[in-house]
Amino acid sequence: LAKTTQPISMDSYEGQEVNITCSHNNIATNDYITWYQQFPSQGPRFIIQGYKTKVTNEVASLFIPADRKSSTLSLPRVSLSDTAVYYCLVGVTAAGNKLTFGGGTRVLVKP
Amino acid sequence: EAQVTQNPRYLITVTGKKLTVTCSQNMNHEYMSWYRQDPGLGLRQIYYSMNVEVTDKGDVPEGYKVSRKEKRNFPLILESPSPNQTSLYFCASSSVNQPQHFGDGTRLSIL
Repeated sequence: LAKTTQPISMDSYEGQEVNITCSHNNIATNDYITWYQQFPSQGPRFIIQGYKTKVTNEVASLFIPADRKSSTLSLPRVSLSDTAVYYCLVGVTAAGNKLTFGGGTRVLVKP
Repeated sequence: EAQVTQNPRYLITVTGKKLTVTCSQNMNHEYMSWYRQDPGLGLRQIYYSMNVEVTDKGDVPEGYKVSRKEKRNFPLILESPSPNQTSLYFCASSSVNQPQHFGDGTRLSIL
């Protein structure tokens, strides 16, 4: 699993767009980029996964540049309920593999 | 409803008294995994399994055992619990090359 670096924390306000960038310089050809969201005392929840360019779903967008050495999770128009820790994982992230979650990015959305 | 179910959700016990945390998934997933989460240390993988009778160590396997006799179940066994195993535990499952589904967690306190 590729090593990832992401900011420790970010603050935002309701209605703003939040962008979290994850660096993964040693990403391998077959690696996917996966983001999870975790609320306190709950299990992580899958948000989005991508391989290249842009992926969008009802919750977020994931932007991946051509060199794939970084990726940006974009949360449009955040609300207070988006306050959580967001984890970026790079590699084969199914449960049957040895995996390491980094420290994640703690996002605080203020009123 | 697709889910990963852990039991118990909360347990307070004493040092040395064997305990088992059960994990069951109803999605016919091949892969399952156990994690522990401690303040400041993020999610750390304990054991993972790629299929029935196939298990392997994660980053922090010491003091734990697992078994995978059936596809749907992946119990975590603490033969002789110690206070340093006080933690929040999560079970997860996934299909091959798919994102993980996490349970709601089990909070263990070992006195």
